[in-house]
Amino acid sequence: SQQGEEDPQALSIQEGENATMNCSYKTSINNLQWYRQNSGRGLVHLILIRSNEREKHSGRLRVTLDTSKKSSSLLITASRAADTASYFCATEKETSGSRLTFGEGTQLTVNP
Amino acid sequence: EPEVTQTPSHQVTQMGQEVILRCVPISNHLYFYWYRQILGQKVEFLVSFYNNEISEKSEIFDDQFSVERPDGSNFTLKIRSTKLEDSAMYFCASRQTATGNTIYFGEGSWLTVV
Repeated sequence: SQQGEEDPQALSIQEGENATMNCSYKTSINNLQWYRQNSGRGLVHLILIRSNEREKHSGRLRVTLDTSKKSSSLLITASRAADTASYFCATEKETSGSRLTFGEGTQLTVNP
Repeated sequence: EPEVTQTPSHQVTQMGQEVILRCVPISNHLYFYWYRQILGQKVEFLVSFYNNEISEKSEIFDDQFSVERPDGSNFTLKIRSTKLEDSAMYFCASRQTATGNTIYFGEGSWLTVV
């Protein structure tokens, strides 16, 4: 598998439900960032979590990081139709400087 | 909230033509980047730029590509002789410090090579 792989590839839920997306990576990282992309649009930064952090919250978003398993999860609670988008994790390695390596993304569809 | 701005939002060009994509990074940021996303694929790193020089580039960033910071605010990506496979969304990004903090992306420039 490649650095920064998300699963599932696609997720369809009803409004009000929670959505959980996972990301796995292979090498040691400095930090991991989650982005949202609406169709054909730019990348909107959601949360950055550093390698020494285990959990962060921002509004309805909760991100966890398990460096022993080289994985992260993004939880969106009480989802809304407006949350429909692609979600990407991006890792910044310890040794590579400032390059971000993106995963394939999870396409989330929230049905009204 | 400050943002990275990119122009044009969409450009169609003939194969073999030169293209310049423009970006205005966030004003107090020092590190600048170009990434690209071919339709339906993941976002790929092209190049990073700091202190008026390239600090890192990927294997995608060959001699056809160049970057420049012509003045205190703009950051450009030039593709000298476009190929069909250069068709993609190109994202400019910036950050304040070298590592460990948020990288902010622009809305992207769609390049279509015909």
